[in-house]
Amino acid sequence: QSVLTQPPSVSAAPGQKVTISCSGSSSNIGNNYVSWYQHLPGTAPKLLIYDNNKRPSGIPDRFSGSKSGTSATLGITGLQTGDEADYYCGTWDSSLSVYVFGTGTKVTVL
Amino acid sequence: EVQLVESGGGLVQPGGSLRLSCAASGFTFSSYWMHWVRQAPGKGLVWVSRINSDGSSTSYADSAKGRFTISRDNAKNTLYLQMNSLRAEDTAVYYCARDYGGNEWAFDIWGQGTMVTVSS
Repeated sequence: QSVLTQPPSVSAAPGQKVTISCSGSSSNIGNNYVSWYQHLPGTAPKLLIYDNNKRPSGIPDRFSGSKSGTSATLGITGLQTGDEADYYCGTWDSSLSVYVFGTGTKVTVL
Repeated sequence: EVQLVESGGGLVQPGGSLRLSCAASGFTFSSYWMHWVRQAPGKGLVWVSRINSDGSSTSYADSAKGRFTISRDNAKNTLYLQMNSLRAEDTAVYYCARDYGGNEWAFDIWGQGTMVTVSS
């Protein structure tokens, strides 16, 4: 059971925007950097966002990250069919002394 | 091309052992911390273990402590995960991942994964 809670699913039409929330506590999100990962089953997960809001090279600016208090948010604008995947937040948990992933959110493009 | 390729997965009986390997290429392997992450069927990602760049420091999730051992051979650009006393709940796809080396842990390069099935 993860300490980071995400909605199980979000959906929107092509071209629209979705946001995915990641709720934690002061021992994880509240005092540590958050990363976001995209995962298509059967493939290697991909880092989308690190240090709360930074994008690795090659990640389009349609993907954005933010953090406020003990919650973080991933935004995806200009939704494309290729964005259909599972998305996970992740961060260090200072109390558990482990890296924790969120429960995961499935994005569906209608 | 920066790449990680896992191998060594398979079917093993409960109580058995397995050693996973992760071959790295396209980057200076010895400069990076490395991790193992797993995903059980129908479940989410779970961090398993990490090792620092020279292999002198390791850490584990509670589920792996005392049973799994992470190691690396920088001369061979290879990461390992020795798994002993395997249980049904260890059934998962195991991914190796590179730590991006920044402010805190984040995994910027992942392998395709290797499936481990623990069953009699």
